Amino acid sequence: KAGVTQTPRYLIKTRGQQVTLSCSPISGHRSVSWYQQTPGQGLQFLFEYFSETQRNKGNFPGRFSGRQFSNSRSEMNVSTLELGDSALYLCASSPQGQGIYEQYFGPGTRLTVT
Amino acid sequence: AQKVTQAQTEISVVEKEDVTLDCVYETRDTTYYLFWYKQPPSGELVFLIRRNSFDEQNEISGRYSWNFQKSTSSFNFTITASQVVDSAVYFCALRGSNRDDKIIFGKGTRLHILP
Repeated sequence: KAGVTQTPRYLIKTRGQQVTLSCSPISGHRSVSWYQQTPGQGLQFLFEYFSETQRNKGNFPGRFSGRQFSNSRSEMNVSTLELGDSALYLCASSPQGQGIYEQYFGPGTRLTVT
Repeated sequence: AQKVTQAQTEISVVEKEDVTLDCVYETRDTTYYLFWYKQPPSGELVFLIRRNSFDEQNEISGRYSWNFQKSTSSFNFTITASQVVDSAVYFCALRGSNRDDKIIFGKGTRLHILP
């Protein structure tokens, strides 16, 4: 089975711009979660989608949003980028939701905001 | 509030030595889930183990073993006969059983296995 794929792998944006990251889960997985990883804050949960519905959301401002499509692929969007948004964004899929089952992570998208 | 503490920021051991990574957690839930993930230099987190709060049996998987002790709120991870390929950052994580709970990761322990 193919693993979780994320595109793009690297991205450089300017403050104030917006960005969209994409994640394709493992085939058959209906849950997709997003995480932000920074040296200072570590790994932080952004949100989880299950069957196109947002099930849970972390403590991030409204500039961070996401969605899930009927084929379980997910996108996350960050609007009005700030320097502090520079991070590795990880996507994870799981056969079942609620974050209580093992998750399979993608390689991440490294976002640099200048 | 829930919390995961991995007090060891960085550990270096010589290949073939055993090494234990500590994880201490805080939660008021009676039902919760604990995880260990490995993040090699490639960046992709790899699931290692999941344990629910009602299952205190220790687990062994090859050179890896886990010691779950509710009495001390710890879920420690031991690598026996370490190998260079074990070099990575290891994360312990906690997730409560309520729908609105978020998974909380520890800060991670960076493990260096020296040849």
